[in-house]
Amino acid sequence: GAVVSQHPSRVICKSGTSVKIECRSLDFQATTMFWYRQFPKQSLMLMATSNEGSKATYEQGVEKDKFLINHASLTLSTLTVTSAHPEDSSFYICSARDGFEGLGGELFFGEGSRLTVL
Amino acid sequence: RKEVEQDPGPFNVPEGATVAFNCTYSNSASQSFFWYRQDCRKEPKLLMSVYSSGNEDGRFTAQLNRASQYISLLIRDSKLSDSATYLCVVNEGGGGKLIFGQGTELSVKP
Repeated sequence: GAVVSQHPSRVICKSGTSVKIECRSLDFQATTMFWYRQFPKQSLMLMATSNEGSKATYEQGVEKDKFLINHASLTLSTLTVTSAHPEDSSFYICSARDGFEGLGGELFFGEGSRLTVL
Repeated sequence: RKEVEQDPGPFNVPEGATVAFNCTYSNSASQSFFWYRQDCRKEPKLLMSVYSSGNEDGRFTAQLNRASQYISLLIRDSKLSDSATYLCVVNEGGGGKLIFGQGTELSVKP
């Protein structure tokens, strides 16, 4: 089946630095990818929808200048957490659809990236 | 009110037990529904889609009641390996934007 790969799986950084997380669709093209954040014991919260070749669509309450999303190709989307602070520590997960929903395209998730900001 | 609500549990059951999880959603225009399974510190994985007519996959049965905006998951003959968090997920429109419930934690004991 289709695979979505995320990198890095775990990152620890100092407060004030920026961290980039990559999300790749390995054997399919994804015009749309989704970025989620999950705090411990809480549900996944959609942060933004990443659109290939255009600006990302951010959910209410998500700072677009802090969470920079770039979807430069049909197989790669990146999320950059700028000037990270301890409260940004979380589990970040991307997802991508293989095909169109109307044609039964399944949504696949990356393995997730656990960010710890010291 | 949360868009998708679940009882967080935990549900602690013995092996072989039957356990049921419920989920309610607030948007009556929601189009598709899923149950995902998430193991500790891992990404969610699709368990099954939920169809209006109800559907079964082995020991797992999912049902949808659109009138009551309610989804259920029944697990029969629980196995130790069923221990996980079960996420109720709703797609409110096209395009893949999913709304996740908080998840229900299941712990199956020997």
